[in-house]
Amino acid sequence: GDSVTQMEGPVTLSEEAFLTINCTYTATGYPSLFWYVQYPGEGLQLLLKATKADDKGSNKGFEATYRKETTSFHLEKGSVQVSDSAVYFCALRSGRTYKYIFGTGTRLKVLA
Amino acid sequence: EAGVTQSPTHLIKTRGQQATLRCSPISGHTSVYWYQQALGLGLQFLLWYDEGEERNRGNFPPRFSGRQFPNYSSELNVNALELEDSALYLCASSLEPHTDTQYFGPGTRLTVL
Repeated sequence: GDSVTQMEGPVTLSEEAFLTINCTYTATGYPSLFWYVQYPGEGLQLLLKATKADDKGSNKGFEATYRKETTSFHLEKGSVQVSDSAVYFCALRSGRTYKYIFGTGTRLKVLA
Repeated sequence: EAGVTQSPTHLIKTRGQQATLRCSPISGHTSVYWYQQALGLGLQFLLWYDEGEERNRGNFPPRFSGRQFPNYSSELNVNALELEDSALYLCASSLEPHTDTQYFGPGTRLTVL
């Protein structure tokens, strides 16, 4: 079945460091891919998305490119801030069943 | 525009009791999704409702059930509560099943003692 695998956290970085959170997926058909962010005590917020191969999603300095050949959707940010500390979830939406599959989440902690 | 709302924020029950959680989608959204986020685990899909019908169900026992009302709000019921049901329950809505983006509410924290 469809699945999403994210790198395990926690990830601890200093402010202004470069961030990469790896995400790979397995899916039949052509899924849409998402990154959601969950700040402490809150629900999930959509961070960015990509709906087809080679699409790049971007928002708030974060970027991710839909790579069909490597079945990946890695999240990157050039310079993280303390306010980026949160849990990040990679997800796919099946193009066949419309069902969402979420990764287990990666906790990011950014130190001043 | 109001986002997805959930009530209550926190709910404390004892083993064997029943819990009812409520969700109001964004105005105009017809699809409602329920997820369980247990500590240390990712989001586990529970239920999907659209236009008042249950469209899909995750790998949860039948004591997890719900419904969607004509105004598209939704209830999640958990019967015969067990300790491992303690989790954050998240509701999400989308404009229609075939659109991509789900918008999440803040969640209901259920604690089973």
